[in-house]
Amino acid sequence: NAGVTQTPKFQVLKTGQSMTLQCAQDMNHNSMYWYRQDPGMGLRLIYYSASEGTTDKGEVPNGYNVSRLNKREFSLRLESAAPSQTSVYFCASSDWAGNTEAFFGQGTRLTVV
Amino acid sequence: SQQGEEDPQALSIQEGENATMNCSYKTSINNLQWYRQNSGRGLVHLILIRSNEREKHSGRLRVTLDTSKKSSSLLITASRAADTASYFCATVPYSGAGSYQLTFGKGTKLSVIP
Repeated sequence: NAGVTQTPKFQVLKTGQSMTLQCAQDMNHNSMYWYRQDPGMGLRLIYYSASEGTTDKGEVPNGYNVSRLNKREFSLRLESAAPSQTSVYFCASSDWAGNTEAFFGQGTRLTVV
Repeated sequence: SQQGEEDPQALSIQEGENATMNCSYKTSINNLQWYRQNSGRGLVHLILIRSNEREKHSGRLRVTLDTSKKSSSLLITASRAADTASYFCATVPYSGAGSYQLTFGKGTKLSVIP
């Protein structure tokens, strides 16, 4: 059982470059989330998808876009990376948004120089 | 802004002692969840407690919820070195806008000294 798989695990970008972080879950979950984690800030919600076909902004959506490609996959796109987006990004999924436990991927460590 | 706030920010105890972490939140909740994160890894779910529950147990973990005070506590009994990690509370609002959001606090860093 793979659970939640994120790719890539590490990435270095130059300011202004774009990239897409991929996330896939194999638990048939309805809901998926993207968080960023910065030192001393805990996890902050970027975007979430309560169910296939819907996406909503979280606490810190600026500079990001998301796509819920299908029930399994939820991608996060940085159109023009900035140093302030240097962070560790976590994808998570749950059976039903907010009502059940969330399962997390291992994270993507992104550095923007 | 983040809904939950853990206290203390850091806690250091001897192996075998109990560890207590607290979480306060701002608005009415549907449920509150506790997670553990080992250094550099993803989060692992520990316990979910619903707003109509007051206490839950799982092995050496005990979680309490006081909705009148908008607070929760996580107790780890007979701690082990392997319990060294950061612990986060996460809340889901009761209803309305954002009611599907799972929002985390900044965490408590627990160090258990062998």
